[in-house]
Amino acid sequence: KAGVTQTPRYLIKTRGQQVTLSCSPISGHRSVSWYQQTPGQGLQFLFEYFSETQRNKGNFPGRFSGRQFSNSRSEMNVSTLELGDSALYLCASSLGAGAGNQPQHFGDGTRLSIL
Amino acid sequence: QKEVEQNSGPLSVPEGAIASLNCTYSDRGSQSFFWYRQYSGKSPELIMSIYSNGDKEDGRFTAQLNKASQYVSLLIRDSQPSDSATYLCAVEVNKFYFGSGTKLNVKP
Repeated sequence: KAGVTQTPRYLIKTRGQQVTLSCSPISGHRSVSWYQQTPGQGLQFLFEYFSETQRNKGNFPGRFSGRQFSNSRSEMNVSTLELGDSALYLCASSLGAGAGNQPQHFGDGTRLSIL
Repeated sequence: QKEVEQNSGPLSVPEGAIASLNCTYSDRGSQSFFWYRQYSGKSPELIMSIYSNGDKEDGRFTAQLNKASQYVSLLIRDSQPSDSATYLCAVEVNKFYFGSGTKLNVKP
């Protein structure tokens, strides 16, 4: 069974640009969550999608947005990039609401560097 | 108050010793508890899940849950240098909450 797939693995952008990251969950998983992790920091929750609807949202500015498609694949977009957006962006999938006692499984992440 | 609290460490133990990692959580409604291991530069990897009070063993790993004290722990027996990583505690109550992680160093 394939794991969570994130693309691209590495990305270099400049300030002011925008970026779109992609996440394909484990087959059958309907919940996708996104996290930001900077060096020495814990996982900062961005948002969670389930059945194409945003269920939860973290404390990030509106420059960070996401969506989920009918096949559960998800994209995250960051507009007007800032130097502080340099981080490892992790996607995690789980069976989702109502499944009960199901863990999240993480992809390898997208490492975003802002110059 | 953070939903999930962990000592950031580092926790240093000699090879072969027992490493004890602790985690407390604030929401009494929490039902699912997880431990993840994250090597430097890598993504978190699920190593243990626990849902009811008591101990759950899996190889060298034992997870312990005490809902009355809102406390979860992870014991690693016969610690190996390859266990050196950051260990994240996660709690699910409508969404997942992660602790900031405890860095474990196992010295040869």
